[in-house]
Amino acid sequence: RKEVEQDPGPFNVPEGATVAFNCTYSNSASQSFFWYRQDCRKEPKLLMSVYSSGNEDGRFTAQLNRASQYISLLIRDSKLSDSATYLCTGGTSYGKLTFGQGTILTVHP
Amino acid sequence: EPEVTQTPSHQVTQMGQEVILRCVPISNHLYFYWYRQILGQKVEFLVSFYNNEISEKSEIFDDQFSVERPDGSNFTLKIRSTKLEDSAMYFCASSLRTSATGELFFGEGSRLTVL
Repeated sequence: RKEVEQDPGPFNVPEGATVAFNCTYSNSASQSFFWYRQDCRKEPKLLMSVYSSGNEDGRFTAQLNRASQYISLLIRDSKLSDSATYLCTGGTSYGKLTFGQGTILTVHP
Repeated sequence: EPEVTQTPSHQVTQMGQEVILRCVPISNHLYFYWYRQILGQKVEFLVSFYNNEISEKSEIFDDQFSVERPDGSNFTLKIRSTKLEDSAMYFCASSLRTSATGELFFGEGSRLTVL
């Protein structure tokens, strides 16, 4: 089983749509979780951290369910600029981030 | 805004040659990392470095790979004898705290092409 699994998509949604991505992880040693965004041929950039209590940053909401080893990202009111690959990742205390394959999102007019 | 810088942006080399990829992490960061991404595949962890020593490495990071922080600013990845399968984008990253608790800042990457 892959350590971090994501639905690769692609997700094609119109502007203004709400879209949700899911991710599961298998390493119970992972202590923290993040969503990164990667534009084509660019470096990953942190989108947001993920907490069990859930956290929101503008149009983005992330949620962690440790019991089910499941992470989610919700994007409301999608913009064209949200088109990217979204990477789910978990980190251990020794400095290793394990990335998922990424979920491709394309927002069209 | 402080950033992680990497050189070269693209290097083409012959199989069997040694390659050194260079990185300047963000100045007050304490943890340093190398990741790689083969075209079309996921970002993979290679090695983490803290307090002048490797804190963790993956199975990809075999004897052909080494890292060094020769001075207070540079962090290098050396591949001793490159193979075709080493062709990838190599990302350097740094963080103020461990990746378990803190954000990683990635450089723009060094694309390595092994012929």
